[in-house]
Amino acid sequence: DTEVTQTPKHLVMGMTNKKSLKCEQHMGHRAMYWYKQKAKKPPELMFVYSYEKLSINESVPSRFSPECPNSSLLNLHLHALQPEDSALYLCASSLPRGTSDPANEKLFFGSGTQLSVL
Amino acid sequence: AQSVTQLDSHVSVSEGTPVLLRCNYSSSYSPSLFWYVQHPNKGLQLLLKYTSAATLVKGINGFEAEFKKSETSFHLTKPSAHMSDAAEYFCVVSSPGNTGKLIFGQGTTLQVKP
Repeated sequence: DTEVTQTPKHLVMGMTNKKSLKCEQHMGHRAMYWYKQKAKKPPELMFVYSYEKLSINESVPSRFSPECPNSSLLNLHLHALQPEDSALYLCASSLPRGTSDPANEKLFFGSGTQLSVL
Repeated sequence: AQSVTQLDSHVSVSEGTPVLLRCNYSSSYSPSLFWYVQHPNKGLQLLLKYTSAATLVKGINGFEAEFKKSETSFHLTKPSAHMSDAAEYFCVVSSPGNTGKLIFGQGTTLQVKP
């Protein structure tokens, strides 16, 4: 299994809603990532979890709240979003840096959740 | 500081002709460099990765890239374009340390004409 599965594929939410994005991988990867991608732009890193601990928060607004319940799952909880938060949200996983494995640093990406905030 | 510059925002080729997507990097150390591809409404897929083992790196789907330190370049090539190669391509450099951060170029849109 070399897949990263993201659900839902599409999400439309109002600015007062609370929703969650989910990401799952069964490759034994211990680093998981959330990226945000606007149309025609490269992905922007939001959060990195390494061994289920938050290791990087790229100054993301608190209306985005990540959670890593176990080594296979990564969630992104959304609350009181703004229309400018509409984007493709990508999850990725990898072996953590420092792992002595040729596949180190290779990120596996999910297909993303296309989020629209009305 | 590390940075990546993709020299063309848009490249158009005819099916069956060679593909060249250009990437220059800036790094104060020996970098790890990657090319990722993104098809419409999809996630990113790793095409190939350079980690100093060999300057010519072969990737999936017939793509390859050559690391040229003297030119600080890591251009992506393919001898013969296929319609399915039409996508967005990102040149990426890893940041130093144990952070797991990647630095993306702005992307190059590859159009393949019949």
